[in-house]
Amino acid sequence: GDSVTQMEGPVTLSEEAFLTINCTYTATGYPSLFWYVQYPGEGLQLLLKATKADDKGSNKGFEATYRKETTSFHLEKGSVQVSDSAVYFCALSDRGGGFKTIFGAGTRLFVKA
Amino acid sequence: EPEVTQTPSHQVTQMGQEVILRCVPISNHLYFYWYRQILGQKVEFLVSFYNNEISEKSEIFDDQFSVERPDGSNFTLKIRSTKLEDSAMYFCASSETSRGNQPQHFGDGTRLSIL
Repeated sequence: GDSVTQMEGPVTLSEEAFLTINCTYTATGYPSLFWYVQYPGEGLQLLLKATKADDKGSNKGFEATYRKETTSFHLEKGSVQVSDSAVYFCALSDRGGGFKTIFGAGTRLFVKA
Repeated sequence: EPEVTQTPSHQVTQMGQEVILRCVPISNHLYFYWYRQILGQKVEFLVSFYNNEISEKSEIFDDQFSVERPDGSNFTLKIRSTKLEDSAMYFCASSETSRGNQPQHFGDGTRLSIL
């Protein structure tokens, strides 16, 4: 079945450091890919999405490119802030999976001032 | 921006009791979902609902669980006889269509604590 694998955390960075969170997926069809963010004590917010190969999703300085050849959707940000501290979930939605959202395990990011 | 709202934000219930978690999806959305996140673990799909019936359910969604859309706005998850292992954050989500390129919009969740 469909699945998402993302790097384990926690990831601890200093402010203004470069962030990469790796995400790879397995899907029977041609999925749409998402990154969701969960701030402490809050729900899941859509951060960005990409629906076809080579699409780049971007929002709030975060970017991720849909790489079909490597089945990856790595999240990047050039300069993180303390306010970016949260848990980041890579996810997919696929016709073969009945369009439910399948999440990775989440990666907790701590950004130090 | 329209939001999915969930109530209550925190529910504490004795083991064996029934609990109903409530959700108000975004008004023009037609597809509804419940997910569960046990503390520190991944978000897991429970059930999807469309046109007043269940579209798909996971292995977690056993006979203790049921969903209902009692009126034009609410979408509820009922757990008939709660167990300790039902303690989790429960997220409701909705989407306008079932096409995979339309992201689901999530509520802030209900934290369910079973004592």
